Amino acid sequence: AQSVTQLDSQVPVFEEAPVELRCNYSSSVSVYLFWYVQYPNQGLQLLLKYLSGSTLVESINGFEAEFNKSQTSFHLRKPSVHISDTAEYFCAVSRSAGNKLTFGGGTRVLVKP
Amino acid sequence: DTGVSQNPRHKITKRGQNVTFRCDPISEHNRLYWYRQTLGQGPEFLTYFQNEAQLEKSRLLSDRFSAERPKGSFSTLEIQRTEQGDSAMYLCASSTDTYNSPLHFGNGTRLTVT
Repeated sequence: AQSVTQLDSQVPVFEEAPVELRCNYSSSVSVYLFWYVQYPNQGLQLLLKYLSGSTLVESINGFEAEFNKSQTSFHLRKPSVHISDTAEYFCAVSRSAGNKLTFGGGTRVLVKP
Repeated sequence: DTGVSQNPRHKITKRGQNVTFRCDPISEHNRLYWYRQTLGQGPEFLTYFQNEAQLEKSRLLSDRFSAERPKGSFSTLEIQRTEQGDSAMYLCASSTDTYNSPLHFGNGTRLTVT
């Protein structure tokens, strides 16, 4: 069985400041890792994913996450946030890329001007 | 690509009533998933289909819950004899079965049981 822990339920941050959202997972098998974002009143959207290869993955809107196998972590970072990044962020794992996901509890990011 | 569509957006029902939700996946996607999300929690897996076959069901899916995908296209999730604890957002997602195909989620159906 797999599980995902997002250590911070809420992260307030000022605009243009950096942010890091922590994600740790446990699994007895190799996993694929994902970050999804849920903007207010919208559905979950894929932000980025790690399937194989380079352990550093990036999204088109400036987020990046690094897979660390030894620490079983997949933390999400952005060097400078915008007001529009206010959303809830979910880390998720899967045993295969097109298979069911196990989600963490989510981290709510509130970007303040 | 019109995305995953879920109806209704909101449903308010009285305890003991039956409710049914519908999900229309992205047309070329042969996998369809149902998740439940309660306030302050991440989505929890309920069940998934490969075409019309229901391949896995979570222990969360009590015998009051039933999901169907009769023609391998749209799916319905029915909850019988609703309870207040069923109040949640019910999410549908779809994907292809290729190696790197991620899940695409709909906007969900919010159920409130009074």
